[in-house]
Amino acid sequence: DGGITQSPKYLFRKEGQNVTLSCEQNLNHDAMYWYRQDPGQGLRLIYYSHIVNDFQKGDIAEGYSVSREKKESFPLTVTSAQKNPTAFYLCASSGGQDSYNEQFFGPGTRLTVL
Amino acid sequence: DQQVKQNSPSLSVQEGRISILNCDYTNSMFDYFLWYKKYPAEGPTFLISISSIKDKNEDGRFTVFLNKSAKHLSLHIVPSQPGDSAVYFCAATDSWGKLQFGAGTQVVVTP
Repeated sequence: DGGITQSPKYLFRKEGQNVTLSCEQNLNHDAMYWYRQDPGQGLRLIYYSHIVNDFQKGDIAEGYSVSREKKESFPLTVTSAQKNPTAFYLCASSGGQDSYNEQFFGPGTRLTVL
Repeated sequence: DQQVKQNSPSLSVQEGRISILNCDYTNSMFDYFLWYKKYPAEGPTFLISISSIKDKNEDGRFTVFLNKSAKHLSLHIVPSQPGDSAVYFCAATDSWGKLQFGAGTQVVVTP
């Protein structure tokens, strides 16, 4: 089954701790993205990557970091510098034999910082 | 500054009737528009899209209309079904892959 997986589904962390969210895709997509959704708001782009070993900041990159060492994987680290980390995080990918404009989303990770 | 706006946070419609969701944008460079459907605690799923060279795209019960001069697009769902109850996001892009999303419209289809 081709798709995007995010783990874990729910994540709890203490304030001041860094936490890494996993995102894996087997769609052979070149591009991958991280979004954040807050209640009553749309999705906001955190980081994106069009090719391996290259990534760009999105609209709200402060307090986050990413890596793209493999085509299939695009982990997101929420650092202690992120002021409001509690949110629903969504990973997406596009490209390959599909349109680059049409992004496919994973199931999301809900991060709660206590 | 939000470049894609969905001004109706919610919409209630009777089963079998038409649902009309609206979306406005401010960036004239946007050339591709998409609608996504989202259930709670799940990722959005792609529904339908339209290129700026077209003014209408239809896929089954779903039709998207684009009015470039008004910078407005709409999604029509006919007939509405209970399974259509979800949050619908409008999105737009002017470059490879960077989508700008609206805040979403919660649709509730009542029996």
